Amino acid sequence: QKEVEQNSGPLSVPEGAIASLNCTYSDRGSQSFFWYRQYSGKSPELIMFIYSNGDKEDGRFTAQLNKASQYVSLLIRDSQPSDSATYLCALRRSNDYKLSFGAGTTVTVRA
Amino acid sequence: DGGITQSPKYLFRKEGQNVTLSCEQNLNHDAMYWYRQDPGQGLRLIYYSQIVNDFQKGDIAEGYSVSREKKESFPLTVTSAQKNPTAFYLCASCGQGYEAFFGQGTRLTVV
Repeated sequence: QKEVEQNSGPLSVPEGAIASLNCTYSDRGSQSFFWYRQYSGKSPELIMFIYSNGDKEDGRFTAQLNKASQYVSLLIRDSQPSDSATYLCALRRSNDYKLSFGAGTTVTVRA
Repeated sequence: DGGITQSPKYLFRKEGQNVTLSCEQNLNHDAMYWYRQDPGQGLRLIYYSQIVNDFQKGDIAEGYSVSREKKESFPLTVTSAQKNPTAFYLCASCGQGYEAFFGQGTRLTVV
């Protein structure tokens, strides 16, 4: 079982719609969870991090964490063409500094 | 400016050669990481280091080596034992805030 699994893409949404990205993980010792955005040919950039169960909102982005279900998600509201990118879910274990990534979900926002 | 610097941006390796990729950070971060990314794939962890003079194998360490003699530096050597080294290599560092920040990457090609 992979440590981090993301819903398979690609995901295509119309401009202004909500894009929903999901991620599950296998290690219950995971403590910190991150969403990164990566444009083609570039390095990943951090969008959101979440440590506690529940929702965390930052502008048009909302991260949701459910540790009991080992599930973390990212919602992008009012999607814009500039949101077209690959989104990577990552988690960091509590017992060491290992930082593992999922395979990514490619999002395309249609104008 | 604080940040993570990877060099070179592009690197060409001949068959049977060892090459070393540089990663330097001035963020005073304790943890550093090396990832490999193949086209259309997520990030796979090669090695990571929590503190100076200590490092751990990631998920795909075979054919790679690292050192961590200084807090600021975490060079990666791609040895001749790595049979398919052509990829995009990313270095990241992580401080007390747990969020990891990435360098601009090195694109390695075997010629």
